[in-house]
Amino acid sequence: SQQGEEDPQALSIQEGENATMNCSYKTSINNLQWYRQNSGRGLVHQILIRSNEREKHSGRLRVTLDTSKKSSSLLITASRAADTASYFCATHGVFGNEKLTFGTGTRLTIIP
Amino acid sequence: DTGVSQNPRHKITKRGQNVTFRCDPISEHNRLYWYRQTLGQGPEFLTYFQNEAQLEKSRLLSDRFSAERPKGSFSTLEIQRTEQGDSAMYLCASSPRGQGLATYEQYFGPGTRLTVT
Repeated sequence: SQQGEEDPQALSIQEGENATMNCSYKTSINNLQWYRQNSGRGLVHQILIRSNEREKHSGRLRVTLDTSKKSSSLLITASRAADTASYFCATHGVFGNEKLTFGTGTRLTIIP
Repeated sequence: DTGVSQNPRHKITKRGQNVTFRCDPISEHNRLYWYRQTLGQGPEFLTYFQNEAQLEKSRLLSDRFSAERPKGSFSTLEIQRTEQGDSAMYLCASSPRGQGLATYEQYFGPGTRLTVT
């Protein structure tokens, strides 16, 4: 079963605007990762945040983590048409639980 | 191209037939993972290997499913007596995680899309 939920399920914004998507999870984690998937293709790692971190930046990506609320958010600033894709959060369990558990995904569409 | 490769990319089969998929990981990665993704959902973990040892299997992996990684390099996933509910994208990923590296990122292949008619 899926680890948790992402919202919104779908998001359409104009090019140049910021996009924010949220993820909730259920169990203790070592880290949380965000992956991007273009239609019908494999997933590509975007950014990772460890359980002892609260915020991380990578280029136009900013991720936050609130372990007390078991939630994370991904912000993409100054969106581009090429950012159109599905975005999934994935949690990596604590020691001994080595698999990634994915959320349900947010389908992001950037309108040129 | 030194990424993860999967073959075939698409497979259409009739219900009851057996199918086998292959995954070639990034050569220096010792961990290999299989996931299944249905339309509109996130990937779901099936199983993973460290070298040739299969370390964990999901309850999703019924007795009709078997995975191998005989020499710790490529892996195969076989589904016997396919059912329509097996229709999905089967994704393979690899990582160097088990080599004493504190890295958790996984590198995914393009997937094999299975359609059972």
